[in-house]
Amino acid sequence: AQTVTQSQPEMSVQEAETVTLSCTYDTSESDYYLFWYKQPPSRQMILVIRQEAYKQQNATENRFSVNFQKAAKSFSLKISDSQLGDAAMYFCAYNNAGNMLTFGGGTRLMVKP
Amino acid sequence: NAGVTQTPKFQVLKTGQSMTLQCAQDMNHEYMSWYRQDPGMGLRLIHYSVGAGITDQGEVPNGYNVSRSTTEDFPLRLLSAAPSQTSVYFCASREGPKNIQYFGAGTRLSVL
Repeated sequence: AQTVTQSQPEMSVQEAETVTLSCTYDTSESDYYLFWYKQPPSRQMILVIRQEAYKQQNATENRFSVNFQKAAKSFSLKISDSQLGDAAMYFCAYNNAGNMLTFGGGTRLMVKP
Repeated sequence: NAGVTQTPKFQVLKTGQSMTLQCAQDMNHEYMSWYRQDPGMGLRLIHYSVGAGITDQGEVPNGYNVSRSTTEDFPLRLLSAAPSQTSVYFCASREGPKNIQYFGAGTRLSVL
């Protein structure tokens, strides 16, 4: 079974600074998808960014980018120019193109003004 | 632009009561699923459906039933609620080509 590990229960960043959230996963598959979801206090799960394993280029969405290291099974999220609205729980998730999305335990991000 | 709609948003049950959590999507997605989120944890898959009339179990299916009579609706039934089912429940539907799951706003369920 696939597992997803987020080793940082909490992270803190100063407004306008950059922060990196870590995620590692375990799989024997070669074709899969990786995601970062944001969950603010409203509970809504919001897709931040998506990466297809067969693509070597790291995905980027505005201030959000990933560092995808397939051999190391690592998928970190970098948030640049952090804003107060970025404060939330962030979940890394894995899908093997099948029917299950496997989540990590989450990282709580705090943004200091 | 409704997306995935879940009702109710909050529910309190007594042990042994039954209830149905409703989920509807208007994106014509074939794949739908139910997850639960316990405090301090990520989401875990309860049941999923790959189309009308087809359902299957996920990681934590015990105590829950599902059915899929239409593409739009995917209700989750608790037949006899237990305190261990106190959780936040999320419904999701998946866009096939991009493999992206869209989540509802969640239902917070407390079983006393």
